[in-house]
Amino acid sequence: EPEVTQTPSHQVTQMGQEVILRCVPISNHLYFYWYRQILGQKVEFLVSFYNNEISEKSEIFDDQFSVERPDGSNFTLKIRSTKLEDSAMYFCASSEDRSNTEAFFGQGTRLTVV
Amino acid sequence: GQSLEQPSEVTAVEGAIVQINCTYQTSGFYGLSWYQQHDGGAPTFLSYNGLDGLEETGRFSSFLSRSDSYGYLLLQELQMKDSASYFCAVRDKDNYGQNFVFGPGTRLSVLP
Repeated sequence: EPEVTQTPSHQVTQMGQEVILRCVPISNHLYFYWYRQILGQKVEFLVSFYNNEISEKSEIFDDQFSVERPDGSNFTLKIRSTKLEDSAMYFCASSEDRSNTEAFFGQGTRLTVV
Repeated sequence: GQSLEQPSEVTAVEGAIVQINCTYQTSGFYGLSWYQQHDGGAPTFLSYNGLDGLEETGRFSSFLSRSDSYGYLLLQELQMKDSASYFCAVRDKDNYGQNFVFGPGTRLSVLP
């Protein structure tokens, strides 16, 4: 069964450093998303991406964040200068098309900022 | 603003039926989804309601009443493996995306 894969599973970084979280969405999907979940809290939407551009972003997704689809398979989330409060689980998700009501989530990357 | 409310915890025994409610207040409404998340795992899609009524998928059913801004997830014949957190999520925009607004989650504990 096709799945969304994310690497690394766990990343520890020092405050102020840049991190790149990587995702490989399901191959025939067209819509890609990043969500985050602070430990014990709800899942929060960050950004959605379609046709090589951001289609929607939340208030959380400020200038420190950026996304990119550098090739035909990868979808990355970059945090330019990490803060302690960026520590969370980051989930990548993808869906097939606009009418599709189901998003497939990856297993997540646990980011710890120290 | 956007807000979704769910009970924080529910406990039930194996074989029982449990209902997890969700009420929402969002700027727009284009559908209600339910996701299951085991500890340390990814959210997994369970069901979607775009229109009023009941959707049934095996042991799980989901209901929506748009006039009441209310929905629920019904889990029947509970099994130990159903112990997880359950999130309702509202799609509040009809655009190119799935920027769902997630509820706070309900932690379901199934006891033997």
